[in-house]
Amino acid sequence: KAGVTQTPRYLIKTRGQQVTLSCSPISGHRSVSWYQQTPGQGLQFLFEYFSETQRNKGNFPGRFSGRQFSNSRSEMNVSTLELGDSALYLCASSSGTAGEKLFFGSGTQLSVL
Amino acid sequence: DQQVKQNSPSLSVQEGRISILNCDYTNSMFDYFLWYKKYPAEGPTFLISISSIKDKNEDGRFTVFLNKSAKHLSLHIVPSQPGDSAVYFCAASANYGGATNKLIFGTGTLLAVQP
Repeated sequence: KAGVTQTPRYLIKTRGQQVTLSCSPISGHRSVSWYQQTPGQGLQFLFEYFSETQRNKGNFPGRFSGRQFSNSRSEMNVSTLELGDSALYLCASSSGTAGEKLFFGSGTQLSVL
Repeated sequence: DQQVKQNSPSLSVQEGRISILNCDYTNSMFDYFLWYKKYPAEGPTFLISISSIKDKNEDGRFTVFLNKSAKHLSLHIVPSQPGDSAVYFCAASANYGGATNKLIFGTGTLLAVQP
């Protein structure tokens, strides 16, 4: 079974631009979550999608948005990029049962200059 | 408000000895706890988990202990191997009737196992 796939692996953007990150979950998984990792901050929860519906959201500004398609693939968008958005963005998938372990992709390393 | 805390940013142990990584939490609604291991430039990989109805779970060299009254859990690795060198994240979730699969992570502990 293929794992969670995230594209691209690396991105360099400038302040004010917008960016879209993509995630393909493990086949059969209906839940996709997004996390932001910055040095010293651990993994911060962005949002979770289940069957194309956002069912939970973290404490991030509205510039961070996402969506999920009918094939469970998900995209995350960040508009009006700020320097502080530089981070590793991780996507995780699961079948969606509460408390179940998540399977993570390798992440997209975003650098905002 | 950091609901899951890993107060030791780093830990160094000798190969063959025991590694003990600690984690504290504040939310009494958490009912499921997990440990993840992360190498640089890779996503976290699941290690071991424990439900709040248990106080111990063991899987090979890895054992997780949960002390609900102290809101504390720990991961024991015995014996430690150089390949265990990585960042270890503690995570917790609250079921809330199954409406979400959100995990709250600690800030991680960098484990270095010296040969």
